[in-house]
Amino acid sequence: EIVLTQSPGTLSLSPGETATLSCRASQNIRASDLVWYQQTPGQAPRVLIYGASSRATGIPDRFSGSGSGTDFTLTISRLEPEDFVVYYCQQFGGSPPVTFGQGTRLES
Amino acid sequence: QVQLVQSGAEVKKPGASVKVSCKTSGYTFTDSNIYWVRQATGQGLEWMGWVNPNSGNTAYAPRFQGRVTMTRNSSISTAYMELSSLTSEDTAVYYCTRDVMALTRRWFDPWGQGTLVTVSS
Repeated sequence: EIVLTQSPGTLSLSPGETATLSCRASQNIRASDLVWYQQTPGQAPRVLIYGASSRATGIPDRFSGSGSGTDFTLTISRLEPEDFVVYYCQQFGGSPPVTFGQGTRLES
Repeated sequence: QVQLVQSGAEVKKPGASVKVSCKTSGYTFTDSNIYWVRQATGQGLEWMGWVNPNSGNTAYAPRFQGRVTMTRNSSISTAYMELSSLTSEDTAVYYCTRDVMALTRRWFDPWGQGTLVTVSS
C-alpha cells in the first residue's frame, strides 16, 4: 500500500505570506497520479492541482504544485483569508488504487 | 454543469444497513467511474471503493470488503453505496465523486455534497 504522509499537520501563517505544504509517498509514484484538494469546513473537497503541477479550472495562480518520485509540494503564495482551511494530497495507483494523505491544516 | 447530488442524512441503529444514492447530471454517466469516500468528524478522507457505471464492475478497499456494495442504475444516472453491519465507527459523512481523465492524469471532480450517516442506538 502506498502511504502518503503530509507535513506539517498544522501550519500557522499570516495573510500575505507563502505556505509550503509537503506530501511524501512511501514509494515512487507517477507525478500524473498526484492530486491536491482543498476542503473548507462543512464542504466537500475541491480539486486544486492535478498531475502534481496542473491547476484545475478556476484555481488562482497563487496555487502551484511541484515534485516527483516520492516528494511533492503545494505552494500557496500571497495567502488570502479564505486559504486558511485544510489541504489533502491524494494518489492513484498501486493497491489500493486510491490513498489520501492525512491532511494539513493551514491556520492564521 | 456537472453535478452529483446525494441523498439526505440517515440515522441508523448498530447492525443495520444504509444505502446512499448519488444522482449525476451534466455529463455522460457511463464515461466516468463513481468513487465513494468517507470522512469521520474531524478526520481525514478515506477511500471506500468505486463502481464502473458502464460495466457495473467494482473495486472495494480491503477494510470494507464483504460489508459494502456499490451499484448503479444507468437509466437514471445514479450510483448507490450500501454499507451493512453498521457500528458507531461508521458514523461519518459519505461522499461520491467521479474521476476525470486527461491524457495520463486523473483527478476527482466534482464531489457530491456529502451524506451524513449517524449510527446510534
